[in-house]
This record gives sequence, structure tokens and C-alpha cells, in this order.
Amino acid sequence: EPEVTQTPSHQVTQMGQEVILRCVPISNHLYFYWYRQILGQKVEFLVSFYNNEISEKSEIFDDQFSVERPDGSNFTLKIRSTKLEDSAMYFCASSRDIQGNQPQHFGDGTRLSIL
Amino acid sequence: RKEVEQDPGPFNVPEGATVAFNCTYSNSASQSFFWYRQDCRKEPKLLMSVYSSGNEDGRFTAQLNRASQYISLLIRDSKLSDSATYLCVVKFGYSGAGSYQLTFGKGTKLSVIP
Repeated sequence: EPEVTQTPSHQVTQMGQEVILRCVPISNHLYFYWYRQILGQKVEFLVSFYNNEISEKSEIFDDQFSVERPDGSNFTLKIRSTKLEDSAMYFCASSRDIQGNQPQHFGDGTRLSIL
Repeated sequence: RKEVEQDPGPFNVPEGATVAFNCTYSNSASQSFFWYRQDCRKEPKLLMSVYSSGNEDGRFTAQLNRASQYISLLIRDSKLSDSATYLCVVKFGYSGAGSYQLTFGKGTKLSVIP
């Protein structure tokens, strides 16, 4: 069964540094997403991406965050100047469509630890 | 405001028991409904979509009541492998003007004990 893959599985970074999280969505999917989950809290939406542009973003997704699809397979999340409160699990997801009950399929996440 | 509320649990049940999870959502302009499960420190995995008429997948039955803004999940004959956190998930948005994002409840933790 095709799956979403994410790298690295764990990233440790000093506060203030830039970090790039990478994702390879399922190949025939057109919609891509990033979510985060702070330890012990619920999964929160960050951003969705379709047709090479952001389609929706949450209040969390401020100017420190950006997304990119640099080639035909990768989808990246960049955090420009990390803060302690950015420590969380970051999940990439993809879906074939957004209509009806099309589910989003999640990668196994990148654990980001900011020191 | 888009919110999804769940009983946090934990629910501790013996193997073979039937267990039910409930979920309420705040916004009547909601489009799609799902149950995901999440194992400790893992990604959410789709368990099942929830359809208006209710649907069943093996030991799992999901129900939706749009009037009450209420979703349920019933697990019959629970197995040790069912131990996980069950996430109620709603995609808000009007038909024809879909939202992209999923809104997650905090989850209900289930422990099935031998």
C-alpha cells in the first residue's frame, strides 16, 4: 500500500536555527498538508497546498513558516528561525481530492526538538 | 468556531468487551467525518470514514447524527491490538466550498486488558 514518507524521523536544532522537514506524498495525490502535534495535545492543522500554492493556512502558520514543492515528488516545510515552542511532532499528509469523504493519509512524522 | 470534543478517557476494558466512543462537533457547516486511531507517538491512521446512514467495518460501527452534531464509534469484541487513542476528526466547510483542513478532537484513550 502506498504511503507518505517523511525525513528525518527526529531533528534536534538550536533555537534560532532554520530547519527543513521533508515529505514525499503518495504519488497520485494532488493535495498536501502539514500538521503538528505538541506532546500531549491534539493534532493541529498548519497549511494545505494544491497546484503549487497554499490553499489554506492556520493562525499557527505565520511568517516563520513556508512550504515548497521543489520537484515532482518532495514537499517541504521550512521554519526560518525556530523557537522553543516549535518543538512538536510534524506530520505531512496527502489526499487525492478534497471532496466528499476523501481521507488524508499521514506520514509517520518528524519529531522536532528545539534546544 | 470549529471544535471537536471527545471524552478523554482513559477507557480500560477487558478483552472481548464492547466499547463506545462519543464525539460532538461545534459547527453545523461540516462536510466529512472520520475516525482515526493513533498509537503512542505514532501518526494518525484512518480507521474509517463516517457516512450519514451509519457504516460498519468488521467489528467497528460508526454513526452520525447531523441534527445533534454527534458522532459515535462502537468497537465490538475488543482485542488487545485495539489499544490506542481514537481521534474524532471533522472536515468543516459547505458543500461546493470545501475546506482543506481536518479538525481533530483530543482523542479518547482505550486500553484493552487481558
